[in-house]
Amino acid sequence: EAQVTQNPRYLITVTGKKLTVTCSQNMNHEYMSWYRQDPGLGLRQIYYSMNVEVTDKGDVPEGYKVSRKEKRNFPLILESPSPNQTSLYFCASRIPGLAGTGELFFGEGSRLTVL
Amino acid sequence: AQSVAQPEDQVKVAEGNPLTVKCTYSVSGNPYLFWYVQYPNRGLQFLLKYITGDNLVKGSYGFEAEFNKSQTSFHLKKPSALVSDSALYFCAVRAPRALGRLYFGRGTQLTVWP
Repeated sequence: EAQVTQNPRYLITVTGKKLTVTCSQNMNHEYMSWYRQDPGLGLRQIYYSMNVEVTDKGDVPEGYKVSRKEKRNFPLILESPSPNQTSLYFCASRIPGLAGTGELFFGEGSRLTVL
Repeated sequence: AQSVAQPEDQVKVAEGNPLTVKCTYSVSGNPYLFWYVQYPNRGLQFLLKYITGDNLVKGSYGFEAEFNKSQTSFHLKKPSALVSDSALYFCAVRAPRALGRLYFGRGTQLTVWP
């Protein structure tokens, strides 16, 4: 079954404690991206990766890091989480299409609370 | 700069009635436009997209959307709403040359009552 898998799905942590949200896709997609969803703000792009070892910033990259060492995995790293990073996070990969016109395939989300 | 506006936070319709969820956009060049739906406690699911060609595009679950270049709009429509259509709907836009960037609207909560 085609899927994007995120872990953990739920996490409560404290300010400053480093954490990683993993994302893995089994569709061999080149493109992957991270979004955060906040009430009234919709989805905002954090980082994206066009392919292995190629990453770039989205709209709200501050406080986050990513890496893309292999095609299937795209972890999101919060080196020193703060309460304003409390949010619902989504990882997505993109269906191949001419000039990147494919749609996104989303994971189920990771709800993060930073106290 | 690219942006998407969904002017209505909420849309409520009776089952069986037509529904419209509005979306306007701002982008450099010809836009790539998408609609996604989010059910409670789930990730987003793709509904339909406009890339080029016919202005009326059809998608999943009986939804369709009309691209209107002069009004920079891409409204989502369905002729006859179902209670099960109740969900959060997101419009998204991408500029042709910005391969990695996709901009989402704030979302519109659709409620269909029996």
